[in-house]
Amino acid sequence: SAVISQKPSRDICQRGTSLTIQCQVDSQVTMMFWYRQQPGQSLTLIATANQGSEATYESGFVIDKFPISRPNLTFSTLTVSNMSPEDSSIYLCSGRSGPQTQYFGPGTRLLVL
Amino acid sequence: EDQVTQSPEALRLQEGESSSLNCSYTVSGLRGLFWYRQDPGKGPEFLFTLYSAGEEKEKERLKATLTKKESFLHITAPKPEDSATYLCAVQALDGGSQGNLIFGKGTKLSVKP
Repeated sequence: SAVISQKPSRDICQRGTSLTIQCQVDSQVTMMFWYRQQPGQSLTLIATANQGSEATYESGFVIDKFPISRPNLTFSTLTVSNMSPEDSSIYLCSGRSGPQTQYFGPGTRLLVL
Repeated sequence: EDQVTQSPEALRLQEGESSSLNCSYTVSGLRGLFWYRQDPGKGPEFLFTLYSAGEEKEKERLKATLTKKESFLHITAPKPEDSATYLCAVQALDGGSQGNLIFGKGTKLSVKP
């Protein structure tokens, strides 16, 4: 299994600012993902973080709003840019080391005022 | 369109009262079905992966089963510490190399002493 940590665990931000969330995995993983979970809702995939290349975004999410980096096999960042109150959510990092089993970090709770 | 539906949305049980959670799915071809447990303020914790109809997995008081259209998570003699939201996710055969997980909204389980 993989142990995933995220920083920060929570933050309160002002409208129009940006926040970068860091994700660290304790072992090399083949794939890393970023999800959003809004209260009472399911997990929604934002993008797949690809090592050394541009992330692959899901419908409804764009690179200008959610730039993602993945410089190596154990680390990734997600930036939430030009934030609005609608961006208030839990952001989850996830990693997959085997063919299917996928593990999640503890999440970053973001409140935008 | 690939879809995952979980029922009930919420379930209240008395300690020791066994029950089952349902996850029905619509997918062109199933690569795998996953069960996660999520405690308040935490990321999803991996429980089981099921790959084919008829397969069963057990862990302590939990037992997951799979048919061609749905999965059940049976909870035998639950304890208050089993209280959590249980998430079901599927991975489609045609999900490409990324094999994205499609999540249901979850079942919130409360076990009263």
